[in-house]
Amino acid sequence: GAVVSQHPSWVICKSGTSVKIECRSLDFQATTMFWYRQFPKQSLMLMATSNEGSKATYEQGVEKDKFLINHASLTLSTLTVTSAHPEDSSFYICSAPGGVFNEKLFFGSGTQLSVL
Amino acid sequence: GNSVTQMEGPVTLSEEAFLTINCTYTATGYPSLFWYVQYPGEGLQLLLKATKADDKGSNKGFEATYRKETTSFHLEKGSVQVSDSAVYFCALSIAGQGAQKLVFGQGTRLTINP
Repeated sequence: GAVVSQHPSWVICKSGTSVKIECRSLDFQATTMFWYRQFPKQSLMLMATSNEGSKATYEQGVEKDKFLINHASLTLSTLTVTSAHPEDSSFYICSAPGGVFNEKLFFGSGTQLSVL
Repeated sequence: GNSVTQMEGPVTLSEEAFLTINCTYTATGYPSLFWYVQYPGEGLQLLLKATKADDKGSNKGFEATYRKETTSFHLEKGSVQVSDSAVYFCALSIAGQGAQKLVFGQGTRLTINP
């Protein structure tokens, strides 16, 4: 079946640095990808929709300058957390639609970010 | 607004026990309802879904019935196995807002002991 690969699975960084998370569709093309974040004991929240060849669409309350999204190709989307702070520590997950009619969602395994 | 609330975990059961994970929702439209499962080290996978009231989704021995009157979609399994240990997410999508735009609950971690 379709696979979405997300890297890294966990990352620890110092406050003020930037962290890049990659999301790849391994055996299918995805013109759209979704990025979510989850705080402990809270819901998985949609942050933004990544669009190949155009700007990402951000959900209300998500800072686009803090969370830079680049959908460089039909198989790769990246999320860069810029100038990370401890409050950005969270679990980040990407997903991509697939299937004959793009009716299915395939998820990466997630990235645990810890900012010291 | 649209939201999903799941029972808090973690849930720990013995093998062959009966499982219920509660899920309730609020929605402004007519949602489709989903259960996703995340096994250790893997991405979320669709477990089952229901698209209208009174529908029952089922897969791998798990079942959930779309109850409009109680706005619920509880996940059940009659006899759990160690391999069912995972995190389970209840989710909804609203027609017209894109089937891919899901609203998730917080997830429930399930551990099954042999």
